[in-house]
Amino acid sequence: EVQLVESGGGLVQPGGSLRLSCVASGFPFAAYRMHWVRQAPGKGLVWVSRVNTDDNGATYADSVRGRFTVSRDNAKNTVFLQMKTLRVEDTAVYYCARAVPWSGEEVFDIWGHGTMVTVSS
Amino acid sequence: EIVMTQSPATLSVSPGERATFSCRASQSVGSNVAWYQQKLGQAPRLLIYGPSTRAAGIPARFSGSGSGTDFTLTISSLQSEDFAVYYCQQYNDWPLTFGGGTKVEIK
Repeated sequence: EVQLVESGGGLVQPGGSLRLSCVASGFPFAAYRMHWVRQAPGKGLVWVSRVNTDDNGATYADSVRGRFTVSRDNAKNTVFLQMKTLRVEDTAVYYCARAVPWSGEEVFDIWGHGTMVTVSS
Repeated sequence: EIVMTQSPATLSVSPGERATFSCRASQSVGSNVAWYQQKLGQAPRLLIYGPSTRAAGIPARFSGSGSGTDFTLTISSLQSEDFAVYYCQQYNDWPLTFGGGTKVEIK
């Protein structure tokens, strides 16, 4: 079964850090670009970051650039999101998502169940 | 940043009726639009991309159309399992952006 499973969410104080993980199974992980998308409570979807297949290129939303770092370990079928200097407005469910394999189309065909990050004092 | 605007915010539809959702981009995105369905408490699910290609396993009652700045998602005959929130997404340029969503509720 093709699956993405996120973990690492939790409650953190403003200014703190968290590292999210997303473990993939059921497909050749190394062949796929991976993304993080977040959703604040009761709000819509917001794209956060993308990592290329071989971890040599990443793209970020302006709101997280310089604070978040995406990476991957293809040997462990895992993508990470290191989040630093967290703000209250980073509170959201964080989904990892797989992009369709054909080049240039960042369309998300597989999503994880999400992990909740709450930033609060 | 390309802003995606969806309308209406809420759509009240009876089962069996046709539902049409609109999505407008603030600048041309070519054909690079996808549509997702999200049910309460669940992750989004890809429905349509390109903007008229159905994803694997998506029923034929879902169809998409449009190009440039105006896109439409249509459900030809709404089923009970279709009551959800629908989002459009452009992937023509960075950053990737989503619309605010259209909630489909039972009339």
